[in-house]
Amino acid sequence: DAKTTQPNSMESNEEEPVHLPCNHSTISGTDYIHWYRQLPSQGPEYVIHGLTSNVNNRMASLAIAEDRKSSTLILHRATLRDAAVYYCILRDADRGSTLGRLYFGRGTQLTVWP
Amino acid sequence: NAGVTQTPKFRILKIGQSMTLQCTQDMNHNYMYWYRQDPGMGLKLIYYSVGAGITDKGEVPNGYNVSRSTTEDFPLRLELAAPSQTSVYFCASSSGRSNEKLFFGSGTQLSVL
Repeated sequence: DAKTTQPNSMESNEEEPVHLPCNHSTISGTDYIHWYRQLPSQGPEYVIHGLTSNVNNRMASLAIAEDRKSSTLILHRATLRDAAVYYCILRDADRGSTLGRLYFGRGTQLTVWP
Repeated sequence: NAGVTQTPKFRILKIGQSMTLQCTQDMNHNYMYWYRQDPGMGLKLIYYSVGAGITDKGEVPNGYNVSRSTTEDFPLRLELAAPSQTSVYFCASSSGRSNEKLFFGSGTQLSVL
């Protein structure tokens, strides 16, 4: 199964943009790239996902490299409420029953300073 | 919508006791998952299910059992609790399509003393 690599931690100041990187060099052509975040003492929540093209929603933007071996989650203006652990995972549409095996790594701990 | 509901929220067990963590979802999702999260660590997949009657092991299945008799429910059973099972347990569900998101419950904090 394709795995992802993320930095353990990153820091940002409030109202500055944040770029959270994720490497997935063994990604297959049918893998979707998903991002989730986990606020303190809560379960993870969905942020954004994409396949090939860059994606935007009200929470964030996802920039996907042309070769799809890396992606970047972009928070345009970090707030204190964005302090969380951010997970990048791959979901494969074409692996039958192994589609169920969704692995989360340790993610990136984002600290936002006021 | 309630989404994914986990009970109980907190539980303390003695070594050797058994218990069942409950998880139910009201979104008619086929795929359900159990993860554990140790302090300062990421999520580890324990078991997952792709539909009623179908379950499979994840990364850390030892010491746990699951069943999936209905689409809505996916209970996790600890038969002989051990201190190593002290963790926060999260249940999640999804439609199973790779472009659909996962929904997580709020977690169960379990301590085994």
